[in-house]
Amino acid sequence: GQNIDQPTEMTATEGAIVQINCTYQTSGFNGLFWYQQHAGEAPTFLSYNVLDGLEEKGRFSSFLSRSKGYSYLLLKELQMKDSASYLCAVRVFTGGGNKLTFGTGTQLKVEL
Amino acid sequence: DGGITQSPKYLFRKEGQNVTLSCEQNLNHDAMYWYRQDPGQGLRLIYYSQIVNDFQKGDIAEGYSVSREKKESFPLTVTSAQKNPTAFYLCASSPPGLAGIRHTQYFGPGTRLTVL
Repeated sequence: GQNIDQPTEMTATEGAIVQINCTYQTSGFNGLFWYQQHAGEAPTFLSYNVLDGLEEKGRFSSFLSRSKGYSYLLLKELQMKDSASYLCAVRVFTGGGNKLTFGTGTQLKVEL
Repeated sequence: DGGITQSPKYLFRKEGQNVTLSCEQNLNHDAMYWYRQDPGQGLRLIYYSQIVNDFQKGDIAEGYSVSREKKESFPLTVTSAQKNPTAFYLCASSPPGLAGIRHTQYFGPGTRLTVL
């Protein structure tokens, strides 16, 4: 089976940088995704990594180390609207196709 | 506009009744998925379908059923056998293929089901 761990909650200050970690144990690894989810809404796609290294996309960056089963999402220049849950999800390939397994999410609170 | 629609946004049912949640997409995506989310929890996969007329059980399929008669539609029935059906249900779809960023899953707005 798959096991994905991420911190339950984090607090950071507006304008600062925050790093949300995700560790995973899985077989059939086929990519790692980060999603943002505001309360009561659907998750929205933030980033995708399948090779080791850093992917940068504006204020958001995501890093992957496949040998360590580790990823992080880096948010720069934090804004109040970044207060949300951040979900780490690992895609695995099975006989029935691709599946995403999600972590429980990290609730980020941005304060003034 | 292309997208995924789920209706209704809020649904109330009495205990013991079956209820069907709709999911429609006009993105021409082959794969569709149903997830359940409980408070403070991540998403858990209920069922998924890679092509029309085929679907697979996810991690928590017991008490649920699906059909995939059309590419655009993937309805989920929550049966009376589901012991704790109150949750937020999310439908997603993704383009064909097995790998790459193109095959990201995109989510509908969700249906919040409350069983009284």
